[in-house]
Order: sequence, then structure tokens, then C-alpha cells
Amino acid sequence: DAGITQSPRHKVTETGTPVTLRCHQTENHRYMYWYRQDPGHGLRLIHYSYGVKDTDKGEVSDGYSVSRSKTEDFLLTLESATSSQTSVYFCAIQREGREQYFGPGTRLTVT
Amino acid sequence: GENVEQHPSTLSVQEGDSAVIKCTYSDSASNYFPWYKQELGKRPQLIIDIRSNVGEKKDQRIAVTLNKTAKHFSLHITETQPEDSAVYFCAASRGTGANNLFFGTGTRLTVIP
Repeated sequence: DAGITQSPRHKVTETGTPVTLRCHQTENHRYMYWYRQDPGHGLRLIHYSYGVKDTDKGEVSDGYSVSRSKTEDFLLTLESATSSQTSVYFCAIQREGREQYFGPGTRLTVT
Repeated sequence: GENVEQHPSTLSVQEGDSAVIKCTYSDSASNYFPWYKQELGKRPQLIIDIRSNVGEKKDQRIAVTLNKTAKHFSLHITETQPEDSAVYFCAASRGTGANNLFFGTGTRLTVIP
């Protein structure tokens, strides 16, 4: 499992509420990523991090923010959740050979 | 940005037959092409990858081929088994540092016993 955990694993929240998802790694990798997975779209990159306090946007970053205050944790925040953000969210780490390994995922439902 | 197209969206084969999934990409600077397998309710798992400096790579029953000129790459699974049934995703990236992956939309492979 590449030492990656995500929390929570499932969450139901109401429109307009803030939500934070956590990704935790135990292997001290520099690069971390957040993707969302929706039917018909595959996986799409939301944000990524290339070090502590170093983050950048991916292709679907609107409505999301991230933070990385320590190497092992990468947080994804939905400031005001909308129904269009109902999805499965996967965190990934990148090893030295460029391979990415995914966490177990978080299923988020916004009602 | 990169655009990755994947075909077919569904594929059914008899056990023991071969399966081929094809992907095309748009960015000629892309140089890394992984394939992931995802079982229902599970995380995507990396099964094989290829870099642009090689044309083919094999790992037991799985092989990937890359045609840089035509900008397409394919996954070949031989002697399919029921446990190969899953959704397969191709991806492409151009990074040498951060490796932002652009994914295809997936192929649902069903192996019929």
C-alpha cells in the first residue's frame, strides 16, 4: 500500500460546509498529489505538492485548496462544498522512478 | 494540456484469449506512460509503465508498446484469466520533477470463464 493512508474514508456533508481530507504517508516522498475520480472522466489532478509549503494547481483546481505543512501530510480542503464535488478522492505519492502509488481513497457525498 | 483518449470503453474476452487496450495522447513532449488496474471499490494499482526511450516492455502476461511517431500506446494481456477482470486506465505525463498524470477514461475488461 506504499504507506499511504487517507482519512476519512467516507464522508457525507451538506452543501456549503467546509470539508478537509487528509493524506498521510510514511515514506518521506517529496511529491504528493490529489486526484478526483468520476464516472466517464477517469482520474483528474486537483492539486499537487513538490515539498513542504510548495503546491501548485492541477487541471480541476477550482473550489479546492491544499496545504502541506509537513512532509508526511497533504491536506485537501473544499472551502464550501457543492454537489458537483461529490466524488471519490485519491491521494498519491511519487517514488524516485516517477511511479505514482495511490491511497485507498475517500468517498465524499455532498447533499 | 495533454489529452489522452482510451479505447474501447468495454471489452469482453474468453478466458485464455488476449486483450488489447489502446490509448492516444496529444502532447508530443509526454515521455512517461503508466497503466493502472482498478478493481471495484479499490485504489488504482500500477501494473506496468513505459518511458519514451523504449518501444516495448513486458512483464509476464502483460506488455505495453509505444509508438511515439503516431502518439499511441497499447496494453496487451495474454492468456487472460478471470482475475484480470477490472477497469484499466492509461496515463501520460511529461514531467521530469512533478509527474502530473493525465488519464484516459478507462476500459472495463471482463474475462468470461
